[in-house]
Amino acid sequence: AQSVTQPDIHITVSEGASLELRCNYSYGATPYLFWYVQSPGQGLQLLLKYFSGDTLVQGIKGFEAEFKRSQSSFNLRKPSVHWSDAAEYFCAVARGGDSSYKLIFGSGTRLLVRP
Amino acid sequence: EPEVTQTPSHQVTQMGQEVILRCVPISNHLYFYWYRQILGQKVEFLVSFYNNEISEKSEIFDDQFSVERPDGSNFTLKIRSTKLEDSAMYFCAIVLPGQGTEQFFGPGTRLTVL
Repeated sequence: AQSVTQPDIHITVSEGASLELRCNYSYGATPYLFWYVQSPGQGLQLLLKYFSGDTLVQGIKGFEAEFKRSQSSFNLRKPSVHWSDAAEYFCAVARGGDSSYKLIFGSGTRLLVRP
Repeated sequence: EPEVTQTPSHQVTQMGQEVILRCVPISNHLYFYWYRQILGQKVEFLVSFYNNEISEKSEIFDDQFSVERPDGSNFTLKIRSTKLEDSAMYFCAIVLPGQGTEQFFGPGTRLTVL
């Protein structure tokens, strides 16, 4: 069965520092990969996605993610964190060829930003 | 990003009561989805709906749940007899034609079952 693991429940970084959020997936073929952000009390906003091609994808708000097939990973990065980035981040996978392309989510990583 | 509205934003109900949650997408869509997020837990897939019928449903989506598109626009999730464990945030998501599998989420409905 497909699964998504986000090993860090909480991460705290200082404003201006770099950030990397980890995501590992379990799936037999190349999945479609996504990162979503959820601010408190809000819905889910898509940051970026990977379907195929260049393994380094750029998203909104200065985020990027790199797909590494050998490590089954899709880690999210940002070179300089802003206080407004404090939120919960979810990695998700959809199976290519799936009849519905449903998303399987990781358990999320809560990002705290120190001033 | 397409606009997806969900109503109500918060619903409080007594155990055993029926609730209907609504999703109102603004433009034409192919796929609709419902997900739920129990407080402090991950987002879970409930059901996908394509061409006016269910394309896939999860184990969570038992006989208590149903979905329909009553007027060709609104997309509803009905819970027939709510249980305490149905308390959660319910999100609607849509996929735009030609946008592949990219899902856009609504702001969610917080359901509280007392």
